Amino acid sequence: DARVTQTPRHKVTEMGQEVTMRCQPILGHNTVFWYRQTMMQGLELLAYFRNRAPLDDSGMPKDRFSAEMPDATLATLKIQPSEPRDSAVYFCASGGYEQYFGPGTRLTVT
Amino acid sequence: GDSVTQMEGPVTLSEEAFLTINCTYTATGYPSLFWYVQYPGEGLQLLLKATKADDKGSNKGFEATYRKETTSFHLEKGSVQVSDSAVYFCALDSNQAGTALIFGKGTTLSVSS
Repeated sequence: DARVTQTPRHKVTEMGQEVTMRCQPILGHNTVFWYRQTMMQGLELLAYFRNRAPLDDSGMPKDRFSAEMPDATLATLKIQPSEPRDSAVYFCASGGYEQYFGPGTRLTVT
Repeated sequence: GDSVTQMEGPVTLSEEAFLTINCTYTATGYPSLFWYVQYPGEGLQLLLKATKADDKGSNKGFEATYRKETTSFHLEKGSVQVSDSAVYFCALDSNQAGTALIFGKGTTLSVSS
């Protein structure tokens, strides 16, 4: 049963620290998405990649967020420096026509 | 721009009641439409989809019909169960390539026995 995996599942950090979230997409999926979910904003698309190339990162605050796919089995989302307003659940999804979501990383920045 | 509007929740029902969650959309062109479900502590799962007008998506007793004339994709189930308690998201894919889904804000369903 192929699944998208994300690590860590939970992260608590202090303001100003770097945070790295990792995602392993389903093998063979060539498109990877990063979403952020908050109570106020709902689900927001941050960025997505196809064949490891960034296609759209317009939803991402450029000054502190960065997303990469160093290889086909790993996508990363980094926040540096983190701020309390970054507290949210971050989801990775992979697929193409149908998107398969990972379980999310719950980030709390104090 | 393209958008999805869902009815606000929470929706609270008794077991075996009929469920409707309204979803309307605004899009140029001919989007594909989806319903996703999120159980507590989990990621979103695709529940059903429809790719063209008058298509009906169905899964696990849930149904939704793509209505172009009313730009709607309402989710229905004839008899809900406690295990259906979750958050339901309506979404559209505006470029038909399975990218950049646009989600509604989600509707929380709570079913009691």
